[in-house]
Amino acid sequence: GAVVSQHPSWVICKSGTSVKIECRSLDFQATTMFWYRQFPKQSLMLMATSNEGSKATYEQGVEKDKFLINHASLTLSTLTVTSAHPEDSSFYICSAQRTSGRLDTQYFGPGTRLTVL
Amino acid sequence: AQSVTQLDSQVPVFEEAPVELRCNYSSSVSVYLFWYVQYPNQGLQLLLKYLSGSTLVKGINGFEAEFNKSQTSFHLRKPSVHISDTAEYFCAVSGNKLVFGAGTILRVKS
Repeated sequence: GAVVSQHPSWVICKSGTSVKIECRSLDFQATTMFWYRQFPKQSLMLMATSNEGSKATYEQGVEKDKFLINHASLTLSTLTVTSAHPEDSSFYICSAQRTSGRLDTQYFGPGTRLTVL
Repeated sequence: AQSVTQLDSQVPVFEEAPVELRCNYSSSVSVYLFWYVQYPNQGLQLLLKYLSGSTLVKGINGFEAEFNKSQTSFHLRKPSVHISDTAEYFCAVSGNKLVFGAGTILRVKS
């Protein structure tokens, strides 16, 4: 199968601190990874597309200076929430894109619950 | 641009009863269609996907979905649900990016 991990699974931090979340594709290489945000009782909203070796592409309304994305290798993308505030508390989910023939399928990580106090 | 509408926010059903979760999509281009399941505090797990070919797609855990191009629908069905099927289900359409519906919470009661 295609396994994607995230670390940490949950984190609690103080307002004003920065938090880094890792997303790893464990058994395949992913040139493209995605970061989503999910508020309680809502669907996933795409934040940004992470491309290995290049800058991430952010969706409209997402602050790129606040949500720093680094995709330094084919199996690892990181999301850093800088100067976190309580309104950044959310469930962050990453996915890694696996290409088979002409089809790209996203495989999702288990998510990271961020709580900012 | 693509969009997905999941017509029911919650579906309660008794154990061993059949269930259908509805999904309609819109797109100006050919798309791929997906159903994902999310258990509490977990990420998404792929249930099934439609790429091309047969309009009836079988997935994991006994779920299946039927692609209906004329009605732009991709409804998810299971003939007999189990308590462990209680979860939130997301329909998604893939064009240049993956777009999710709002989700349907399936509550299976004993």
